[in-house]
Amino acid sequence: EAGVAQSPRYKIIEKRQSVAFWCNPISGHATLYWYQQILGQGPKLLIQFQNNGVVDDSQLPKDRFSAERLKGVDSTLKIQPAKLEDSAVYLCASSLSDGEKLFFGSGTQLSVL
Amino acid sequence: GENVEQHPSTLSVQEGDSAVIKCTYSDSASNYFPWYKQELGKRPQLIIDIRSNVGEKKDQRIAVTLNKTAKHFSLHITETQPEDSAVYFCAAANTGNQFYFGTGTSLTVIP
Repeated sequence: EAGVAQSPRYKIIEKRQSVAFWCNPISGHATLYWYQQILGQGPKLLIQFQNNGVVDDSQLPKDRFSAERLKGVDSTLKIQPAKLEDSAVYLCASSLSDGEKLFFGSGTQLSVL
Repeated sequence: GENVEQHPSTLSVQEGDSAVIKCTYSDSASNYFPWYKQELGKRPQLIIDIRSNVGEKKDQRIAVTLNKTAKHFSLHITETQPEDSAVYFCAAANTGNQFYFGTGTSLTVIP
């Protein structure tokens, strides 16, 4: 079974630039998550989708972050403009449905200089 | 929202000894408690999980216990091996499948 796919694996940008990350969940998984993991901390939820609808985006900094999941399959997360404090690993995860196990992608390591 | 606290933040044990990591949660609606292992530069991997209708679950050298009344759960690793060295995260999830993670425990197994 293919896992959660993410790209790119690494990204280096300067502050105030924009960046986009892509995620393709495990086939058939209705729920998709974006997490931010700062070095030495646990994953922090940014946004949760159920199919193509947003379930929770309460911790998404909406002035600079946006995410979409058109057609309820793959998803993109965008940061515009980036700040130094956005340097982190951005993890995408998916689950089959409510109460099911969460599977992570390999993440995108973002460095903002 | 849910608040998950995890202790200790770092843990060193001799190979063959046991390791215990503890987590507490605040939301009584949480009903699913997974544990993840994350090696350096890799994705978090699910190693064991427990649901709220169960008090204990074991899988070879790994076990998890849950005390719903006290709102705490623990990971137990017996006969530790160097390959157990990693960062371990606990999480609590509710019926809406919203997962909240602890801050992680860096486990070092000394050969």
